[in-house]
Amino acid sequence: QSALTQPASVSGSPGQSITISCTGTSSDVGDYDYVSWYQQHPGKAPKLVIYDVTHRPSGISTRFSGSKSGNTASLTISGLQADDEADYYCSSYTNIDTWVFGGGTKLTVL
Amino acid sequence: QITLKESGPTLVKPTQTLTLTCAVSGFSLSTGGVGVGWIRQPPGKALEWLALVYWNDDDRYRPSLKSRLTITKDTSRNKVVLTMTNMDPVDTATYYCAHVPPGNCSSSTCYIPYHFDSWGQGALVTVSS
Repeated sequence: QSALTQPASVSGSPGQSITISCTGTSSDVGDYDYVSWYQQHPGKAPKLVIYDVTHRPSGISTRFSGSKSGNTASLTISGLQADDEADYYCSSYTNIDTWVFGGGTKLTVL
Repeated sequence: QITLKESGPTLVKPTQTLTLTCAVSGFSLSTGGVGVGWIRQPPGKALEWLALVYWNDDDRYRPSLKSRLTITKDTSRNKVVLTMTNMDPVDTATYYCAHVPPGNCSSSTCYIPYHFDSWGQGALVTVSS
């Protein structure tokens, strides 16, 4: 069960948009629309920002959106704000009835 | 409001067994479809899913750690317990418990969630002699 692949870091200026990719396999990301994304600020617990590839939980800004193509899912944050600076993790359900997380991406708002 | 709170030892010795408790409130562990999972994060590293138990006591484990892990729940006391045997320094991490929401069924189909919508604050466990 290998971790999903994410870029180690991405950056953007306030107001810009960034996209974080999450690449898995046909046994996880490619097989199910059960990709979720979590935001984690330093020293804090993760917070769900996207579930089931494209759905936003109540209270999450519309600036956060998700998509998927084949074995790769993506999280896009538009209109970057200083508070978006955090680590982001993707996760997927797998075909052996388990969960797998990505290696995490550090977002820096310049 | 759903809350989860982890508790347990902050320091364990190598080869010892770790027992962590997740106290939950705001939902019932007997509600159909509900699940509680454990996820850990070594210092400076990524999240790693460990185990999950459903309302009906059905459980799931990380394959590479399955022989060392046991997850149980006590519905009457609103607690979920994770035990991990034969602890090693590489198991040093912050351990989180998290809630999987219940699904719902219509006349023809059921929706089953596979995401963690509420997390505890985490409990740091250090493995050292």
